[in-house]
Amino acid sequence: DVKVTQSSRYLVKRTGEKVFLECVQDMDHENMFWYRQDPGLGLRLIYFSYDVKMKEKGDIPEGYSVSREKKERFSLILESASTNQTSMYLCASSPRFNYGYTFGSGTRLTVV
Amino acid sequence: KNEVEQSPQNLTAQEGEFITINCSYSVGISALHWLQQHPGGGIVSLFMLSSGKKKHGRLIATINIQEKHSSLHITASHPRDSAVYICAVNSGGSNYKLTFGKGTLLTVNP
Repeated sequence: DVKVTQSSRYLVKRTGEKVFLECVQDMDHENMFWYRQDPGLGLRLIYFSYDVKMKEKGDIPEGYSVSREKKERFSLILESASTNQTSMYLCASSPRFNYGYTFGSGTRLTVV
Repeated sequence: KNEVEQSPQNLTAQEGEFITINCSYSVGISALHWLQQHPGGGIVSLFMLSSGKKKHGRLIATINIQEKHSSLHITASHPRDSAVYICAVNSGGSNYKLTFGKGTLLTVNP
């Protein structure tokens, strides 16, 4: 069964910490995405990557960066965590554009 | 106005009922997705469609491109169908990007 695995289900970090959220897919998909989900706002795209070392900003990239050194792994980095980054973070992948998406289970991040 | 509107926002049904969730969009699209999210859980892709109708078990999804409208139907609903159902579209102008509706919270009571 194909999978997108996010390294942590729940995470609590302190304000100002550098935070790494990891996502790994085993489907050899070209595209990978990071979203955050907040009540009343729905899902919003932070960054996506269409190839190794390639990335594009989504709708809300401020305060975040990403890394894709290997095809199967896409990391989201919070350079200096702030309380307004408390959210559910979801990773997704797709084999190519306009194909179906596979989502991870999500990481619920709390910044205190 | 959101590009993707879902209705209703909340829906409560009795086990066995036929359920319909609607999605309207205002942009040209290349594909529409129906997603399911259980409480506290990740998201599962149910359907991707660009025309016509698809069926998987008790779930049916339809799309009318001319009317910019899609429906998700659940036949013989069951409490395990309780979840948030999310409509999302790939806009024609930027095919990498999914635009999401706010979701419909479905509760099926036994």
